[in-house]
Amino acid sequence: DAKTTQPTSMDCAEGRAANLPCNHSTISGNEYVYWYRQIHSQGPQYIIHGLKNNETNEMASLIITEDRKSSTLILPHATLRDTAVYYCIVRGTYNTDKLIFGTGTRLQVFP
Amino acid sequence: NAGVTQTPKFQVLKTGQSMTLQCAQDMNHEYMSWYRQDPGMGLRLIHYSVGAGITDQGEVPNGYNVSRSTTEDFPLRLLSAAPSQTSVYFCASSSRRGGTEAFFGQGTRLTVV
Repeated sequence: DAKTTQPTSMDCAEGRAANLPCNHSTISGNEYVYWYRQIHSQGPQYIIHGLKNNETNEMASLIITEDRKSSTLILPHATLRDTAVYYCIVRGTYNTDKLIFGTGTRLQVFP
Repeated sequence: NAGVTQTPKFQVLKTGQSMTLQCAQDMNHEYMSWYRQDPGMGLRLIHYSVGAGITDQGEVPNGYNVSRSTTEDFPLRLLSAAPSQTSVYFCASSSRRGGTEAFFGQGTRLTVV
């Protein structure tokens, strides 16, 4: 299982873009990058995932570098409700791989 | 569509008691897993299953048993509860097909006294 490295914590002003980095330098060619978040002690919530190309959905954008060794999750207009722990995870093609969480990044959005 | 349902939501056990945490999903997902989350920590994988009849150990399997007799259900058994098992437990499921998201239950908060 590929390991990921994320900053422990980040701050962001409400209304500004939050850019959360993730390093996954040992990722292999068939592994996806997933992002989840956990608000308080709720169950983790899926945000977005990608393989090679940049991805965008209604919640966020995912930018993956060309060598795939790192990625950035972008919340374009952060709100107070985006305060959460954000997890970057890599997982193989057939989802039989263990889904392993790291320590994540605690994002604090302030007014 | 109920997704992933965990029961109970809260439980208090005495040391040495046994109990089963229930997890059910209605999405016909092959992959199911159990995690525990201690205060201020990330999620740690306890056991997982890639299909009915197939289970395997995760990062922290000691003190827990699982079985997978149906696609829908994946119960987690605590054989003899210990205070160190006080935690929040999450169940997750996902399709075997790559590039699909995992769905999580809302958790079971277990206290062992």
